[in-house]
Amino acid sequence: SQQGEEDPQALSIQEGENATMNCSYKTSINNLQWYRQNSGRGLVHLILIRSNEREKHSGRLRVTLDTSKKSSSLLITASRAADTASYFCATDAGNMLTFGGGTRLMVKP
Amino acid sequence: GAGVSQSPSNKVTEKGKDVELRCDPISGHTALYWYRQSLGQGLEFLIYFQGNSAPDKSGLPSDRFSAERTGGSVSTLTIQRTQQEDSAVYLCASSLSDAADTQYFGPGTRLTVL
Repeated sequence: SQQGEEDPQALSIQEGENATMNCSYKTSINNLQWYRQNSGRGLVHLILIRSNEREKHSGRLRVTLDTSKKSSSLLITASRAADTASYFCATDAGNMLTFGGGTRLMVKP
Repeated sequence: GAGVSQSPSNKVTEKGKDVELRCDPISGHTALYWYRQSLGQGLEFLIYFQGNSAPDKSGLPSDRFSAERTGGSVSTLTIQRTQQEDSAVYLCASSLSDAADTQYFGPGTRLTVL
């Protein structure tokens, strides 16, 4: 079973709008990572947030982590058509990352 | 520097045949992972190699699947007697030391079993 579950499964927005994706998980974690995947091929690492961190920024990305609720969110501000992709959260609870099912984001120009 | 590479990029095979998928991790990365992704789905962990330790094979779906990592570098995932349900994209990733580190993914091998 998947450790992380993303919500929503699919999201369609207009260019310039913000996109928020959520991830919930079940067990205690060491860190949580977000990845992006274009066209069903290799994943690209976006950001890692450790269990003792609450918020992290990287360019137009903002990630929050609430360990009491076992949830994380990824915010993409001022979205662009090139942000269209699938976004996955992955949790590290030991010697492997467990990935969620992903959120498919479409940004319309 | 060079990223993770995988070969072949696409493989079409007939049911019952054996296939070998190759992964070249980033030089110096001691951890290597194999995942499987079915169409439109998330990633399914298959196997994890960490240095000289015994691999974590807990994700392998059946005994038709095996993997090895020679010399702590290149890894080969072998699927014997392929079935149609094995059709998926097989992704390899490596990280500097363990799962707490960022994983760098290869482009994947798309396997189609007819």
